Amino acid sequence: DAGVTQSPTHLIKTRGQQVTLRCSPKSGHDTVSWYQQALGQGPQFIFQYYEEEERQRGNFPDRFSGHQFPNYSSELNVNALLLGDSALYLCASSLGGGGEKLFFGSGTQLSVL
Amino acid sequence: GEDVEQSLFLSVREGDSSVINCTYTDSSSTYLYWYKQEPGAGLQLLTYIFSNMDMKQDQRLTVLLNKKDKHLSLRIADTQTGDSAIYFCAEGTGFGAGTRLTVKP
Repeated sequence: DAGVTQSPTHLIKTRGQQVTLRCSPKSGHDTVSWYQQALGQGPQFIFQYYEEEERQRGNFPDRFSGHQFPNYSSELNVNALLLGDSALYLCASSLGGGGEKLFFGSGTQLSVL
Repeated sequence: GEDVEQSLFLSVREGDSSVINCTYTDSSSTYLYWYKQEPGAGLQLLTYIFSNMDMKQDQRLTVLLNKKDKHLSLRIADTQTGDSAIYFCAEGTGFGAGTRLTVKP
């Protein structure tokens, strides 16, 4: 039973570029949440997708956008990258549209130079 | 949004009990959670408590919830070196900054 898988594991970009991160939820889960974790800090909620729609959003600018596909997998897109976007991006899956009992992937480490 | 606070560091001797504390502001969630993060890894759901309970025991782990004071704690009995990690308290979509637990032999 595959857990939450994220790709790529590491990514290096330059300021102004755009990036797409991918996530496949745990088998049987239909809800995907994205978090940003800066070094030494707790995860910060970006948004949550359920039934292919954004259901909740944290305090992140419109440069951060996402998508959920019919197979429940999800993408996180970040446009016009800033140095401050350097962080570990975590995907978490759950069941039924709520943010309960999250199962996390190992994350994508994004470095913006 | 939720505001979750916890102390940043805790150091204990192997075999002692560890107690990690957390306070939160939003009381609308059904569950409150403790997650564990080991170096280079994602977060692992450690345990959780239903918001209508005040205590939950799960092997070496005891979770205490004081809804009136919006205070959550995690007690680890007989702490082992393998328990060294960062522990996050979570309520709704909000996470604390994490408590780094160091267990000394």
